[in-house]
Amino acid sequence: QKEVEQNSGPLSVPEGAIASLNCTYSDRGSQSFFWYRQYSGKSPELIMFIYSNGDKEDGRFTAQLNKASQYVSLLIRDSQPSDSATYLCAVNGEIKAAGNKLTFGGGTRVLVKP
Amino acid sequence: EPEVTQTPSHQVTQMGQEVILRCVPISNHLYFYWYRQILGQKVEFLVSFYNNEISEKSEIFDDQFSVERPDGSNFTLKIRSTKLEDSAMYFCASSLQGRANVLTFGAGSRLTVL
Repeated sequence: QKEVEQNSGPLSVPEGAIASLNCTYSDRGSQSFFWYRQYSGKSPELIMFIYSNGDKEDGRFTAQLNKASQYVSLLIRDSQPSDSATYLCAVNGEIKAAGNKLTFGGGTRVLVKP
Repeated sequence: EPEVTQTPSHQVTQMGQEVILRCVPISNHLYFYWYRQILGQKVEFLVSFYNNEISEKSEIFDDQFSVERPDGSNFTLKIRSTKLEDSAMYFCASSLQGRANVLTFGAGSRLTVL
């Protein structure tokens, strides 16, 4: 059973601070890693993806991947109250010609306090 | 920005009734998916669809479920005889062919089975 684990939170951060979210996965063959944001009652919205070891930055967001440790993280810099949401880590397994399914973690709830 | 459209947004049905959830994927996308999220739980993969056939399905996707692409734009999920435990938010998603396989999700259809 392929698992993706996240701390459920809530992770409470003051406005302007850095929020650090972690995710571990069990399938060593995983190829691609995604961070989605989900507001309550809404659908997942892609923040960014990463598939090479190291860091990838996009605006206030930085994803970090360490395949040897089976670990992916997301940093949110200069956190804003509008960043308050649940952040979902999703992992894509072996690349297949006919598309791939994502395995989601349970999400980390982030609360940014003004 | 292109989006995935889902109807209905909310459907209430009696146990044992058939339900059809509809989706219009992004027009140039080739891969189509259904996921579901029971309230307070993880987003779970149901099925992927490519080249007019199912490419992968989860153990949740049993004989009660079916998918169809009846024309060039719609993608449907049918639940033949709904059970109480089918109550969930159902998300349609689509993606372009590509290594990162980025999924774009629709807004979801909330199914309530009474």
